[in-house]
Amino acid sequence: TQLLEQSPQFLSIQEGENLTVYCNSSSVFSSLQWYRQEPGEGPVLLVTVVTGGEVKKLKRLTFQFGDARKDSSLHITAAQPGDTGLYLCAGTINFNKFYFGSGTKLNVKP
Amino acid sequence: DTAVSQTPKYLVTQMGNDKSIKCEQNLGHDTMYWYKQDSKKFLKIMFSYNNKELIINETVPNRFSPKSPDKAHLNLHINSLELGDSAVYFCASSRGWDGTEAFFGQGTRLTVV
Repeated sequence: TQLLEQSPQFLSIQEGENLTVYCNSSSVFSSLQWYRQEPGEGPVLLVTVVTGGEVKKLKRLTFQFGDARKDSSLHITAAQPGDTGLYLCAGTINFNKFYFGSGTKLNVKP
Repeated sequence: DTAVSQTPKYLVTQMGNDKSIKCEQNLGHDTMYWYKQDSKKFLKIMFSYNNKELIINETVPNRFSPKSPDKAHLNLHINSLELGDSAVYFCASSRGWDGTEAFFGQGTRLTVV
């Protein structure tokens, strides 16, 4: 059983479409991060959210931390082929235990 | 300049062998980690070191022994390799020991045959 469940596991969409990836848990997190990983590379940090209800934007990507700090979402507007990759959420509990989600594999077709 | 670098990138070896993976970070971070990513892409923390001291050991077999000669280096030595050890191993570092905002290396794909 994983502490952080991501959905969907796989997502294949056309260029220009919007999408949302969810990261859910029954645990409360001190902070939550989103990473993107491309084949043959390590995960690269996209954003960190620490306050319940916080919303952060990174160009076409919008990240939200749930009010209760148990869940998060990543929304991509007008997806592009360059957005293709594995998206991972990761959460910290009590500032000394951290866990990765199961991952969402996104494929954006031109 | 690579922030977190690990070598080798690929490692193919036979069961029973002993192998090491090296990791170095030039970010001036105090904390370094080893993660294992399985075939389903699930990342699981193995070890965490803060200023050369072990702070997390997540139920990893004692065939795995990390060594941190200084806070910029964290090497991973694996004894008596087993088929189930095949995975991608990632080194990472962060400023603090809470695991937030970790910077990852490119990974070492270990294949045990």
